Amino acid sequence: DAGVIQSPRHEVTEMGQEVTLRCKPISGHNSLFWYRQTMMRGLELLIYFNNNVPIDDSGMPEDRFSAKMPNASFSTLKIQPSEPRDSAVYFCASSSPGGRPGELFFGEGSRLTVL
Amino acid sequence: GESVGLHLPTLSVQEGDNSIINCAYSNSASDYFIWYKQESGKGPQFIIDIRSNMDKRQGQRVTVLLNKTVKHLSLQIAATQPGDSAVYFCAETPITGGGNKLTFGTGTQLKVEL
Repeated sequence: DAGVIQSPRHEVTEMGQEVTLRCKPISGHNSLFWYRQTMMRGLELLIYFNNNVPIDDSGMPEDRFSAKMPNASFSTLKIQPSEPRDSAVYFCASSSPGGRPGELFFGEGSRLTVL
Repeated sequence: GESVGLHLPTLSVQEGDNSIINCAYSNSASDYFIWYKQESGKGPQFIIDIRSNMDKRQGQRVTVLLNKTVKHLSLQIAATQPGDSAVYFCAETPITGGGNKLTFGTGTQLKVEL
């Protein structure tokens, strides 16, 4: 079975540009999470969705960040405008309604570099 | 806010030895504690979990111990192999109201020496 699929794997952009990260969760999973990983702050939860509905976006840094989940098989994380401090690896993860609490399936991440 | 943290940033062990990775947590309301493994260039991968009403749980070559009195969690890896080299994170989550919302610790790098 395919795991969580993220794109792009790597992106280098200039400050001020718009960045869109994409995620396809595992089929049948009803929860989707966006995490950001940096050396300084570790793994931080940005936002998560249950059944396509945003449940908790308290981790979204500021208004420059937005996330959508238009259907059960697709989500986007958008940064507009991007800044150098947004450079990080962004992970998408999904979980199953019948799975173990705390068992998330992560994608391989999107490494973002903002110059 | 409350957080989950790790004692040791880097742990080096000889192949075949047992490894013990420690974690301190502060949120006494957490219901589940989980260990994740992250290999270089990949996303974190679930290893094992333990519920707050347990003090020990065993998996294949791994054991998780929970000491609620001192809010301490540990992961023991038996007969450590080169493939165990990775960063290990502890995480916690409440069952009620939090779904699978995880708070991760800072991570411990495990290096296996041949």
